[in-house]
Amino acid sequence: DAGVIQSPRHEVTEMGQEVTLRCKPISGHNSLFWYRQTMMRGLELLIYFNNNVPIDDSGMPEDRFSAKMPNASFSTLKIQPSEPRDSAVYFCASSLRAANTGELFFGEGSRLTVL
Amino acid sequence: SQQGEEDPQALSIQEGENATMNCSYKTSINNLQWYRQNSGRGLVHLILIRSNEREKHSGRLRVTLDTSKKSSSLLITASRAADTASYFCATEGSSASKIIFGSGTRLSIRP
Repeated sequence: DAGVIQSPRHEVTEMGQEVTLRCKPISGHNSLFWYRQTMMRGLELLIYFNNNVPIDDSGMPEDRFSAKMPNASFSTLKIQPSEPRDSAVYFCASSLRAANTGELFFGEGSRLTVL
Repeated sequence: SQQGEEDPQALSIQEGENATMNCSYKTSINNLQWYRQNSGRGLVHLILIRSNEREKHSGRLRVTLDTSKKSSSLLITASRAADTASYFCATEGSSASKIIFGSGTRLSIRP
């Protein structure tokens, strides 16, 4: 199995530009999580989906952030417009959840730098 | 906001010694998990302990859970240089499926 695949691995962009991060979860997994990691704030849960439906997006920092999961094998996290404080590593994780439990499998992350 | 807080924030020990990391959380949980993160990489799941369990072992790892104190500990025995990494606890609340991570412990193993 290829594991969770994220792209791009690195992105450098200028303030005001749109950023789209992509995630392909492990086949057969029914939950997908987006996290953001910074030195100051640690790992923050942004949003998670169960069976492609957004369940909790209370961690999405602002309306500039949006996430979609059009099907079971693809999700995007979009930032528009981007700001320097959005610089972070963004992780996608998927899980096969039964009885509301299950380990997370993480991708290698997308490192975003907004200048 | 973070559910779990870990201590110590950083730990440096000699190879062969045991390493103990602690995690405290605030609300009732379904389960608690421990993850490891090597520098520049994604997190890797180590072990999951359910709220009705008190102790769990996996190889050189031993995890305890005290729900009355809302705390957990991760013990790594006979540490190796390859154990150098950051370790995070993560809690899944009993009323929601979201999984929240603690602040992590940076473990360094000196050869």
